[in-house]
Amino acid sequence: AQSVTQPDIHITVSEGASLELRCNYSYGATPYLFWYVQSPGQGLQLLLKYFSGDTLVQGIKGFEAEFKRSQSSFNLRKPSVHWSDAAEYFCAVGSPRGYGGSQGNLIFGKGTKLSVKP
Amino acid sequence: DSGVTQTPKHLITATGQRVTLRCSPRSGDLSVYWYQQSLDQGLQFLIQYYNGEERAKGNILERFSAQQFPDLHSELNLSSLELGDSALYFCASSASEQYTDTQYFGPGTRLTVL
Repeated sequence: AQSVTQPDIHITVSEGASLELRCNYSYGATPYLFWYVQSPGQGLQLLLKYFSGDTLVQGIKGFEAEFKRSQSSFNLRKPSVHWSDAAEYFCAVGSPRGYGGSQGNLIFGKGTKLSVKP
Repeated sequence: DSGVTQTPKHLITATGQRVTLRCSPRSGDLSVYWYQQSLDQGLQFLIQYYNGEERAKGNILERFSAQQFPDLHSELNLSSLELGDSALYFCASSASEQYTDTQYFGPGTRLTVL
């Protein structure tokens, strides 16, 4: 079955520093991969997604992610973090079949909480 | 603001009770998804409706049911509530029935079962 692992529960970086959030997936074929962000008290917002093609994907808010098939990874990066980036980040993989054989759905990792130091 | 609205924002109830959570999708979106976010299970997909019909199902409990009405709003019904049902319930919407389409999430309903 498909699964997503986000190894880091909590990361703290200084404002202006670079950021990399890790995501590893388990899936037999080429996966559909997503990164979402959840700001405090709000719902999730899609940052970027990868289906195929160029393995470096650009997203909103200056984020990018790189798909590495050999490492089963889809890490999220940002060259310079802003205080407003403090939030929880979720990696997700598309599962083509749901429960009982129904249509597919997203499977989310447990999330990485990002704190930003001034 | 994603354009997805959920009511109520907070709900406190007792074990054994039944509650209804409501979701209005973004204008023009035909799919509605329901998710449960809890500390131990994380964010889990429950069910998807597209234009009034069930399209996909996660490991949703039999005590939970949902429907999507002709005006495209959706309701999630939770019955015989248990302490473990306490969680944040999100609704999301998308334009098409493809789950890989961008999903826009509402702010959630926080359910507390005492």
